[in-house]
Amino acid sequence: DAGVIQSPRHEVTEMGQEVTLRCKPISGHNSLFWYRQTMMRGLELLIYFNNNVPIDDSGMPEDRFSAKMPNASFSTLKIQPSEPRDSAVYFCASSLLRAPYEQYFGPGTRLTVT
Amino acid sequence: GNSVTQMEGPVTLSEEAFLTINCTYTATGYPSLFWYVQYPGEGLQLLLKATKADDKGSNKGFEATYRKETTSFHLEKGSVQVSDSAVYFCALSGNTGFQKLVFGTGTRLLVSP
Repeated sequence: DAGVIQSPRHEVTEMGQEVTLRCKPISGHNSLFWYRQTMMRGLELLIYFNNNVPIDDSGMPEDRFSAKMPNASFSTLKIQPSEPRDSAVYFCASSLLRAPYEQYFGPGTRLTVT
Repeated sequence: GNSVTQMEGPVTLSEEAFLTINCTYTATGYPSLFWYVQYPGEGLQLLLKATKADDKGSNKGFEATYRKETTSFHLEKGSVQVSDSAVYFCALSGNTGFQKLVFGTGTRLLVSP
């Protein structure tokens, strides 16, 4: 079975540009999570969705960040405009909406903003 | 609130040594407990889990037992390999209405030949 799919795997962009990260969750999973990982801050939860509805976006750092889930098989995380401090690895994870709520992670997108 | 505390790393071992990575937690109710492993350049992979007290999760030679009396979920392996070098994360989730995972800060394991 295919796991969580993320694209692109690597993204290099200049400050001020718009960046869109994409995620396809595991088929049948109805919860989706976006995380950011840096050396300084570790793993941070940005936002999560249940049944395509955003439930908690308290981890989104600024209004420059937005996330959507138009259907059960696709989600995007957008940064506009991007800044060098947004450089990080962004992970998407999915799970079933029932205990024990184990999450399955994608391979991540390494974002570098110059 | 819920929290997870892991031992600081890095943990440096020689091949075939015994591994223990400590994890303790604070939670209300009866959480589920997990160990995730992250190899360089990859995402987190679920290594093992336990959903109730005294459960033992195991996978790939790794084991961890859910100890409610000590609120612990220590990761062990009898004989580590160089290929086990990675970062290990302990995590918990609530069983009712708290689906977010709470992660520890991660423990880096370095195994030398």
